[in-house]
Amino acid sequence: AQSVTQLDSQVPVFEEAPVELRCNYSSSVSVYLFWYVQYPNQGLQLLLKYLSGSTLVKGINGFEAEFNKSQTSFHLRKPSVHISDTAEYFCAVITGFQKLVFGTGTRLLVSP
Amino acid sequence: DVKVTQSSRYLVKRTGEKVFLECVQDMDHENMFWYRQDPGLGLRLIYFSYDVKMKEKGDIPEGYSVSREKKERFSLILESASTNQTSMYLCASSLLSFDRDRVEKLFFGSGTQLSVL
Repeated sequence: AQSVTQLDSQVPVFEEAPVELRCNYSSSVSVYLFWYVQYPNQGLQLLLKYLSGSTLVKGINGFEAEFNKSQTSFHLRKPSVHISDTAEYFCAVITGFQKLVFGTGTRLLVSP
Repeated sequence: DVKVTQSSRYLVKRTGEKVFLECVQDMDHENMFWYRQDPGLGLRLIYFSYDVKMKEKGDIPEGYSVSREKKERFSLILESASTNQTSMYLCASSLLSFDRDRVEKLFFGSGTQLSVL
């Protein structure tokens, strides 16, 4: 079954610095990947998704992710973070009919 | 504006009680899901439903059941609550897609923090 691994449970960063949140997926013939964000006391929202086509995917709020088949990775990046980006970020993969499996999450902490 | 509403934000129950968590969506979505979220474990799928009266087990269905009598409502039932079911419960919904290239995004509710004492 498909799965994703988020090795970093927490990533502290200063405001306006770049950030990368790592996600690795289990190898498969085809894979469909997502990044969701959860702001404090809220449900999850879709940031971006990769289904096929261009390996660089742009999402909302200035985030982007790159699908790398050789490294089985789908890392999330932002060139300059804001305080408001403080949240928990989840990588996810389609694992069956209509089913998503989520990673364990990475908490991004942005300090002034 | 699309909306997934979970009936309670916080809930405190005693061991052995029967607990109902309710979720309502107003988007006419076919799919509805129940996840639990625990620190260090992320989100784990408990049950999902892709139609009225249809249900499928997720990855951790033990100790839970579900009910989908109407399209807009999906209930999670803890038949006899236990302390290890203390968790954040998240409901989500999405459109049904038979084409994997058109996987629809999930819309989430704000969650119900359940404490079982």
